[in-house]
Amino acid sequence: DTGVSQDPRHKITKRGQNVTFRCDPISEHNRLYWYRQTLGQGPEFLTYFQNEAQLEKSRLLSDRFSAERPKGSFSTLEIQRTEQGDSAMYLCASSLDATGAKKGLFFGSGTQLSVL
Amino acid sequence: AQTVTQSQPEMSVQEAETVTLSCTYDTSESDYYLFWYKQPPSRQMILVIRQEAYKQQNATENRFSVNFQKAAKSFSLKISDSQLGDAAMYFCAYRHTGANSKLTFGKGITLSVRP
Repeated sequence: DTGVSQDPRHKITKRGQNVTFRCDPISEHNRLYWYRQTLGQGPEFLTYFQNEAQLEKSRLLSDRFSAERPKGSFSTLEIQRTEQGDSAMYLCASSLDATGAKKGLFFGSGTQLSVL
Repeated sequence: AQTVTQSQPEMSVQEAETVTLSCTYDTSESDYYLFWYKQPPSRQMILVIRQEAYKQQNATENRFSVNFQKAAKSFSLKISDSQLGDAAMYFCAYRHTGANSKLTFGKGITLSVRP
């Protein structure tokens, strides 16, 4: 069990550029979540997938954000035309469908995005 | 909507002493789960302890225990025999038992441990 893996760990970009992050969940987990965390705050829910289906999106997820999980395994989160307000830690988490609510989520180490 | 409130932004404890971190939540659900997560400087979120709302017995994991007061919607974390490695941000989180539930976090509390 290699845990939840996120790539890259850090990303520095200029305002207006597009960025893409990748998350590889724990292999047997069919639920995958994206959260955003700004400094000194708790993580805020963005979206989640069950297998390849995106079941819920937060209103925090503007039209510039898109997430995919094409084969029900890894997921990507893309931010288009980045803004300085997008600077944050983007956390990915996964869980088993049936037991996830009880056991909680397993988190990756996050991708720290800095928009200059 | 469910909310989780951690009103203490920072706390400090002497090594080997005991500290209690507070958390309150608001929900209309009767069945749910509560969690405490630890986030050290590496920023990896680590599950510390969880509590199922239908269980009256407070959860315990080694030096970590909770005081779950369902009627008061209070869920505090007690850390006994504090160690330097306990220094981190601690987040309280809520999740109801529904199929499409998601984890809702409080703002967190920064715990420092004095040697």
